[in-house]
Amino acid sequence: DTGVSQDPRHKITKRGQNVTFRCDPISEHNRLYWYRQTLGQGPEFLTYFQNEAQLEKSRLLSDRFSAERPKGSFSTLEIQRTEQGDSAMYLCASSPRGTYGYTFGSGTRLTVV
Amino acid sequence: SQKIEQNSEALNIQEGKTATLTCNYTNYSPAYLQWYRQDPGRGPVFLLLIRENEKEKRKERLKVTFDTTLKQSLFHITASQPADSATYLCAPGYSGGGADGLTFGKGTHLIIQP
Repeated sequence: DTGVSQDPRHKITKRGQNVTFRCDPISEHNRLYWYRQTLGQGPEFLTYFQNEAQLEKSRLLSDRFSAERPKGSFSTLEIQRTEQGDSAMYLCASSPRGTYGYTFGSGTRLTVV
Repeated sequence: SQKIEQNSEALNIQEGKTATLTCNYTNYSPAYLQWYRQDPGRGPVFLLLIRENEKEKRKERLKVTFDTTLKQSLFHITASQPADSATYLCAPGYSGGGADGLTFGKGTHLIIQP
């Protein structure tokens, strides 16, 4: 068990470009979450998968954001036409069925210039 | 709307003393509450979960209380050490009903001074 892996760790992109992040959860965990965190704030919920089904999306998730979890394994988060306000740390977490603490990855830090 | 409040300012504690962090919530009736530790540039690390029918939970030097009447959770670190310096996040949650993405507070920055 290597924990939750996120790739890349850092991404610098120009405004208007598309970016895609990957998350590999703990293999036995069927729940996967994406969060966004800016400096001095707690993580903000973006979206949630149970296996391959996307069950909840935050109102923070504009049409430019899309997430997938094919086959209930790894997940990708894509941001289209990035804006400077998208600059943040994007965190992925997974948990097993039931009420358990989340295991977070180290995050992908996105900087939009 | 739902609101979570944690000590907004940094908390400075002398090494060896007990650090107490507060989490207050409004417009919530959570079934449980989780506490996480976060170090700079890293993802949060799960510490403890306490359910609404539990008054207190302990893990080594950590203790969490949950008062559903006061809508408050207290997080204690006894015999604090400089290595305990970090940001601590609380997250009330619900169980069942499908989607249950946690909502996190802003966190309290704890500094343990030697």
